[in-house]
Amino acid sequence: NAGVTQTPKFQVLKTGQSMTLQCAQDMNHEYMSWYRQDPGMGLRLIHYSVGAGITDQGEVPNGYNVSRSTTEDFPLRLLSAAPSQTSVYFCASRGTGEDTQYFGPGTRLTVL
Amino acid sequence: RKEVEQDPGPFNVPEGATVAFNCTYSNSASQSFFWYRQDCRKEPKLLMSVYSSGNEDGRFTAQLNRASQYISLLIRDSKLSDSATYLCVVNRWDGNQFYFGTGTSLTVIP
Repeated sequence: NAGVTQTPKFQVLKTGQSMTLQCAQDMNHEYMSWYRQDPGMGLRLIHYSVGAGITDQGEVPNGYNVSRSTTEDFPLRLLSAAPSQTSVYFCASRGTGEDTQYFGPGTRLTVL
Repeated sequence: RKEVEQDPGPFNVPEGATVAFNCTYSNSASQSFFWYRQDCRKEPKLLMSVYSSGNEDGRFTAQLNRASQYISLLIRDSKLSDSATYLCVVNRWDGNQFYFGTGTSLTVIP
């Protein structure tokens, strides 16, 4: 049982490049979410999903796309990276009716 | 106004001390409340949920005051291993949007 996994751990992009941050969980959790963490800002919700085929926007969705084709995977896409997207990105999952969100180890993204 | 506000600290306390953190939330429709712990450069992990009646887990006690819209965390007999950042988290009525405070940094000194 690996829990929540994220790849890559580190990434450096140039402005305008695109990339996908991968997130997977093996706990059969319906709820998955993406956060970004910036100094002095705390974690902010980008997008979330309550099940396969269902996604919704969080607090800071602009510049990011998501899809949920399977229960296990919830990738986050940056279509045209900007320096303002330099951050640490965490994926999390939660079982239906449960309190606990389980976080992945994070992806540290730098956009130059 | 931020959904959740915390004093960032840092709190530097000696081993064995008692320390308390407070957190305020702005949306009275908030339904669920949590304290998470985050070690340096690691992911957050649930420390405890906060219930209306208050709850205790070993050396940790959490309280909720809905009338004043604040949540507290009390740590008794602090250990070196308690050094971390403590995040206050609030969940809205639909259960799907979680709001995190910026965290309170605690260092326990030998």
